[in-house]
Amino acid sequence: DAGITQSPRHKVTETGTPVTLRCHQTENHRYMYWYRQDPGHGLRLIHYSYGVKDTDKGEVSDGYSVSRSKTEDFLLTLESATSSQTSVYFCAISGLDGETQYFGPGTRLLVL
Amino acid sequence: GENVEQHPSTLSVQEGDSAVIKCTYSDSASNYFPWYKQELGKRPQLIIDIRSNVGEKKDQRIAVTLNKTAKHFSLHITETQPEDSAVYFCAASIGGTAGNQFYFGTGTSLTVIP
Repeated sequence: DAGITQSPRHKVTETGTPVTLRCHQTENHRYMYWYRQDPGHGLRLIHYSYGVKDTDKGEVSDGYSVSRSKTEDFLLTLESATSSQTSVYFCAISGLDGETQYFGPGTRLLVL
Repeated sequence: GENVEQHPSTLSVQEGDSAVIKCTYSDSASNYFPWYKQELGKRPQLIIDIRSNVGEKKDQRIAVTLNKTAKHFSLHITETQPEDSAVYFCAASIGGTAGNQFYFGTGTSLTVIP
C-alpha cells in the first residue's frame, strides 16, 4: 500500500460538534482527495486538492470544508456534524498523472 | 457532471466460470477508466485501468474493454476463484488542469461459489 494514513480510524461524535479527519501521505503526491462511502452510493467525492492551498469542491461538498497547508496533509472538517454524515471516509492520493489513485485505510465516523 | 452506472449490483458465479461487470458513463470528455476491488472492511485497490485511446487491456485473468462510441466499459474476470469475491467499482475520470475528478459506479458485489 502507498504511504497513506488516516486518523482517527474510528470516531463517534454527537450531532452539532465539529470533527476533523486527517489524511497524511509520505509519497509527495500532488493530488489528494476525500471521499465518503455509503451503501448503495459507491464512493462520492467530497473535496480534492491539486496542490498546497489549492482545493476544489466535489459532488457532495455541502457541510464539509478542507485545508491543505502542507503537501503531506489534507484535512477534512465537518463544521457541525449531522447524522447524515455518518459514513466511511476515504482519503486518496494520485501522482503527477493525476490518474492512478491510492486509497487510505478509511475512517469510520458515527454521528449520534 | 458525469454519471456512472454499474450493473449488476450483485453477481454470483461458480468457481472457474467467468464474470462480467458493465458500466456506462455520460460525459464524452471522460478519458480514464479505472476498476477497483474492495474486500470487506478494506480500502479500494486498483486492479486494472484503461485510457480512452485504447479499446482493450488484459492483465492475466482480468480484462477491461472500452467502447467510446457507446460510452460503456466492462470488466471481465475469467477462471474465477473464491479470492475474487469482493465488491468491484468502476470509475470514470475527466482530466483537467486542476487534476482529475473521479466518478464512481455504485459497486458490484461478486461472490464466487467454490
